This record gives sequence, structure tokens and C-alpha cells, in this order.
Amino acid sequence: GAVVSQHPSRVICKSGTSVKIECRSLDFQATTMFWYRQFPKKSLMLMATSNEGSKATYEQGVEKDKFLINHASLTLSTLTVTSAHPEDSSFYICSAGERGEQFFGPGTRLTVL
Amino acid sequence: QQQVKQSPQSLIVQKGGISIINCAYENTAFDYFPWYQQFPGKGPALLIAIRPDVSEKKEGRFTISFNKSAKQFSLHIMDSQPGDSATYFCAASNSGTYKYIFGTGTRLKVLA
Repeated sequence: GAVVSQHPSRVICKSGTSVKIECRSLDFQATTMFWYRQFPKKSLMLMATSNEGSKATYEQGVEKDKFLINHASLTLSTLTVTSAHPEDSSFYICSAGERGEQFFGPGTRLTVL
Repeated sequence: QQQVKQSPQSLIVQKGGISIINCAYENTAFDYFPWYQQFPGKGPALLIAIRPDVSEKKEGRFTISFNKSAKQFSLHIMDSQPGDSATYFCAASNSGTYKYIFGTGTRLKVLA
């Protein structure tokens, strides 16, 4: 149980385009999901907390207009990187919370050319 | 006060040896302490977790030791295997929020 999926696993896009990443909880409902960014050989950096049916809470320094988060249902949250630039290239990981624990997705590798 | 300090940054252990990774926290409101294992290009996977009402928890070769007064907890990997080579992250949270504070990670390499 407690499986979280992410799609796509890898995406390459041109600078200036927008990219949407989906995060799904497959076998449980998650009122809270989290989005992280991870740089090579670094720890996970929390970007935002996504709550179903309400606006996401962004961490300090994370641009809300750059990283759009939507949590439209109890099993789906999406992260849209708008007008992506090479510095947005990173590994993006989501997680979903259940009973005090977080279960992580497999991550999405974004490369912006 | 929100930091979780993790050490060492990297660790090399011989096959069959014991790997020990340490974490320290400051916020006494934290009440849930998980350890995650991450392989390159993959998401973190929960290994083992502990709450402050116990001082030790063991699951197979993995043991968490917890010292509430010192605000420290550690992961012990017994009989370390090359397949354990990965990055390990400790975390701390207040279980009411789900929000985790992660340590900086430890890259473990187990030599065959």
C-alpha cells in the first residue's frame, strides 16, 4: 500500500515552455501532498505544501507564479513549471501524506535546454 | 530551530560491517523521526521510523536509536551489504503537520 506515482519520469523541454508534472496517490486519499526539488548530491528542498481544494502554501523563496500547484482531487496534485529556463532543470519529487507519514513518488527529471 | 543536522556526509564500510549515521534536532515539538533510503535517480523510500516514546526500534538489519534528552537519533545498519550503497536521509516532523525537515544526507558505500 501507500504507493505514489509521478508522470512523466523524465522530460526535456525548450526554454520558455511550460511543463506539467503529475503526482498521484494510487491506493489512498491524500489531503496533503508536498513538492520537493533536489539538486545533484543534495538534500530534498521543500517547495510547497499542496492541500486538496485550497491554495498551496509555498516555502520562502519559491516563486508562486513560476511553480503553479493544483490539488484538484484527493489523489492528484500537479506542478506546472511555467516559462521554464535552464536553471529550473532539476529532480522534482512529490510526496503524499497519510497517518503522519510521507510516501514519496519516484521523481521527475526535468531538463530545460 | 528547524534544522536537522546529519553526519557524516559520506561513509565507506566494508561488507559485513556496521554503518552508523547520526542526526540531531533542536525543535522539541518534533515527534516523528523517519529514515529514508534513496538510490540515484529514484525517490526516497521509507526505511524505518521511530517516535519519542521508545528508545530503540529494530527492523531486520536496520535499527534506530533515539536519545530524547540529547535530541539525537541514529541509524545502524548491521551486516552492511553492497546493495545498501545509497544515500540516507533522516527527517523530523510534528506528526500533526506531515511537514518534514530533512537532514543533509549521507552517502554510504559498502565495499564488496
